[in-house]
Amino acid sequence: DTAVSQTPKYLVTQMGNDKSIKCEQNLGHDTMYWYKQDSKKFLKIMFSYNNKELIINETVPNRFSPKSPDKAHLNLHINSLELGDSAVYFCASSQGPTPPYEQYFGPGTRLTVT
Amino acid sequence: QQQVKQSPQSLIVQKGGISIINCAYENTAFDYFPWYQQFPGKGPALLIAIRPDVSEKKEGRFTISFNKSAKQFSLHIMDSQPGDSATYFCAAGGTSYGKLTFGQGTILTVHP
Repeated sequence: DTAVSQTPKYLVTQMGNDKSIKCEQNLGHDTMYWYKQDSKKFLKIMFSYNNKELIINETVPNRFSPKSPDKAHLNLHINSLELGDSAVYFCASSQGPTPPYEQYFGPGTRLTVT
Repeated sequence: QQQVKQSPQSLIVQKGGISIINCAYENTAFDYFPWYQQFPGKGPALLIAIRPDVSEKKEGRFTISFNKSAKQFSLHIMDSQPGDSATYFCAAGGTSYGKLTFGQGTILTVHP
């Protein structure tokens, strides 16, 4: 069974479109994260939810809106996509936010904006 | 602001050799230092982690050395194997709700 799954794996779209990425974890974890990995492979946290509550909100354009319908799901909606949004987006989960627990990453969603 | 600096960017090692990757951090509030391994097309996976109350942690062929006064930590991979070829990331956390700050990554290639 996949611990952290993401859909879709690949997403190709045009500038200006709106798209969503879905994430689900079956580990029973309370905390979920969204990371962005750019073309140079640099990983940066974007958001974190704990029990459906937003606890980390990094400096991210407000075109990005996360939503957590329940503890096991965290979705990322992106409005008005821009070329610079092209990246690999990773969802992750952990047992809790503190103390630092191991974060389990999903397989990633490669977003290409043309 | 880059708070975790990782070097080298890439590393080539012969099979059986020792791979060493270094990281330095700025924020003295960090109290959790994990290393992640990422294969192409996959998500990062935790390899080994250390807290500042110990100076070294070993798991199999992987060892973290930690120098609190210098604010540096490193990953040593003993008897490196071609299967270890991957990108390695150091990270630091503990300041805010599970937030991890990652280094820039090191692409390790182990030649057979």
